Amino acid sequence: SQQGEEDPQALSIQEGENATMNCSYKTSINNLQWYRQNSGRGLVHLILIRSNEREKHSGRLRVTLDTSKKSSSLLITASRAADTASYFCASTVLTNTDKLIFGTGTRLQVFP
Amino acid sequence: GAGVSQSPRYKVAKRGQDVALRCDPISGHVSLFWYQQALGQGPEFLTYFQNEAQLDKSGLPSDRFFAERPEGSVSTLKIQRTQQEDSAVYLCASSLAFVDRTGNFYEQYFGPGTRLTVT
Repeated sequence: SQQGEEDPQALSIQEGENATMNCSYKTSINNLQWYRQNSGRGLVHLILIRSNEREKHSGRLRVTLDTSKKSSSLLITASRAADTASYFCASTVLTNTDKLIFGTGTRLQVFP
Repeated sequence: GAGVSQSPRYKVAKRGQDVALRCDPISGHVSLFWYQQALGQGPEFLTYFQNEAQLDKSGLPSDRFFAERPEGSVSTLKIQRTQQEDSAVYLCASSLAFVDRTGNFYEQYFGPGTRLTVT
């Protein structure tokens, strides 16, 4: 069973708008990551935030983490049509492997 | 550049057939993971190798699933007596090393996946 639940399941916006996706997880984590998956292609790592961090930026991406609420959000600013993809949060938990536990994903559609 | 490659990209099997899916990780990567992604869902962990040692197979859904990495590089995921519920995309990922509890993180690089359809 999957660790994370994401909302919304689907999001449609116009180019230039911001997109916010939320992720909730169930157990204590080591870190949380966000991935992008384009149709028919593999997963691409976007950004990682550690359990002792609250916010992180990378280009147009901003990630927040609230460990008290077991939740994270991904904000994409000034979206582009090329941002159209599915976005997944994935966490690593405190075990002896760094296997990723993925959420259910948000399908983002950016219209030009 | 040489990323993670998987073959075949698409596989159609009749129920009851055995299939073998191949993963070529990035050269020198110690860790190798297999994930299963059902349609419209996020990937789910199947198994993990550190070099040739299979350290975690807790995600394998049944004893029909078997994975190996005999020389610590190429890995094969085998599914015996395929069932319709096995239809999914099987993703392989590799990373440079094992992440330790001091927080060192080694990014997992994913292959394009093998889409398995069982009819």
